[in-house]
Amino acid sequence: DGGITQSPKYLFRKEGQNVTLSCEQNLNHDAMYWYRQDPGQGLRLIYYSQIVNDFQKGDIAEGYSVSREKKESFPLTVTSAQKNPTAFYLCASTPPDRGGGNTIYFGEGSWLTVV
Amino acid sequence: GQQLNQSPQSMFIQEGEDVSMNCTSSSIFNTWLWYKQEPGEGPVLLIALYKAGELTSNGRLTAQFGITRKDSFLNISASIPSDVGIYFCAGHKGGSEKLVFGKGTKLTVNP
Repeated sequence: DGGITQSPKYLFRKEGQNVTLSCEQNLNHDAMYWYRQDPGQGLRLIYYSQIVNDFQKGDIAEGYSVSREKKESFPLTVTSAQKNPTAFYLCASTPPDRGGGNTIYFGEGSWLTVV
Repeated sequence: GQQLNQSPQSMFIQEGEDVSMNCTSSSIFNTWLWYKQEPGEGPVLLIALYKAGELTSNGRLTAQFGITRKDSFLNISASIPSDVGIYFCAGHKGGSEKLVFGKGTKLTVNP
């Protein structure tokens, strides 16, 4: 089935550790995104990538890093510099915008908890 | 970053009632999207709108792209308990612009 797969679904991180969240899509979408969602809040953009080997900071990039070595994959690393990493993380992707507007599709999310 | 003004923030309704929620912006958008998110899951696309004035239905859901291109609404008719969740709107200005999201409307349906 086509879609966006995030793993792991639940992750626990100790203080001072880096952790990496995986995101894979088989939709042949060019653009991929990472969002952070806190309880009762909307979605905040961390990083996005419109093409392989290129990515841009979103609104809350500090303490996070990404890579885009393959079209299908856009992993997010939550570094120890992120002071409040406990949140729900959503990966998303969009097909090429052919002038009709972009429709974004989401993965099922990953819960990260700092212990 | 910019966010859309989505209202109401939450709604508590009885099963069978109709629901209406909306998003507004000071900017013009070329695309309006409506999503539903259930607890612990990613948002799922409900309806996508691409033209000003467009009215689109998906079962009991109806959404409209405002004629000014600065707003959109979502209606749910004859609500049922499984409609519970958070509904998000999103707008896109086109080109390389990023999507902008509302903060969501949390819907509770009492049986």
